[in-house]
Amino acid sequence: YVLTQPPSVSVAPGKTARITCGGNNIGSKSVHWYQQKPGQAPVLVIYYDSDRPSGIPERFSGSNSGDTATLTISRVEAGDEADYYCQVWDSSSDVVFGGGTKLTVL
Amino acid sequence: EVQLVESGGGLVKPGGSLRLSCAATGFTFSNAWMSWVRQAPGKGLEWVGRIKSKTDGGTTDYAAPVKGRFTISRDDSKNTLYLQMNSLKTEDTAVYYCTTVQGYTYASQWGQGTMVTVSS
Repeated sequence: YVLTQPPSVSVAPGKTARITCGGNNIGSKSVHWYQQKPGQAPVLVIYYDSDRPSGIPERFSGSNSGDTATLTISRVEAGDEADYYCQVWDSSSDVVFGGGTKLTVL
Repeated sequence: EVQLVESGGGLVKPGGSLRLSCAATGFTFSNAWMSWVRQAPGKGLEWVGRIKSKTDGGTTDYAAPVKGRFTISRDDSKNTLYLQMNSLKTEDTAVYYCTTVQGYTYASQWGQGTMVTVSS
């Protein structure tokens, strides 16, 4: 199972960033999202498509339908600049990560 | 507070072996499913494998690139997770992270990682 993410997304501060994750009928799977800042370990920011772990700002939200899952970051801040990875579990491939998207805050 | 601290990384020659450890605190380790995820320099995340809790059978699953070469184990008396890596290849060079696994499917907490370099 293959997950496809855009290599990069750019957004101005205060605007909304949308990072997509494409996969065949991904809407039938649970999608999880991780944020990784330079030199740091990944951090879970969204699980089960749209749930937020404690401590993650409400500005982070997720959706999943059809062949595309989306991580949405509202009111983007400079501190949101990071790599973002989507991930699913597939019965044939087990755990699969997308290739990652570098979010640049202009 | 959950803490996962990996150790054991280093430089090893192709064909060599290395054992990584992950010391866990702040949660009931024996009840937790655990996994290893790696990241080659400048690349994305790659799942390595998982181990279930003993109450759920204690079984392991591995990604195709490491199956037959890597072994995940746990010592619940020491709250420690292990990754035994044999027949190492240059393409195994990566930072290795240990994680807790929730809902069978996602990594809820991550360690800081340990670097493994396979080079002659």
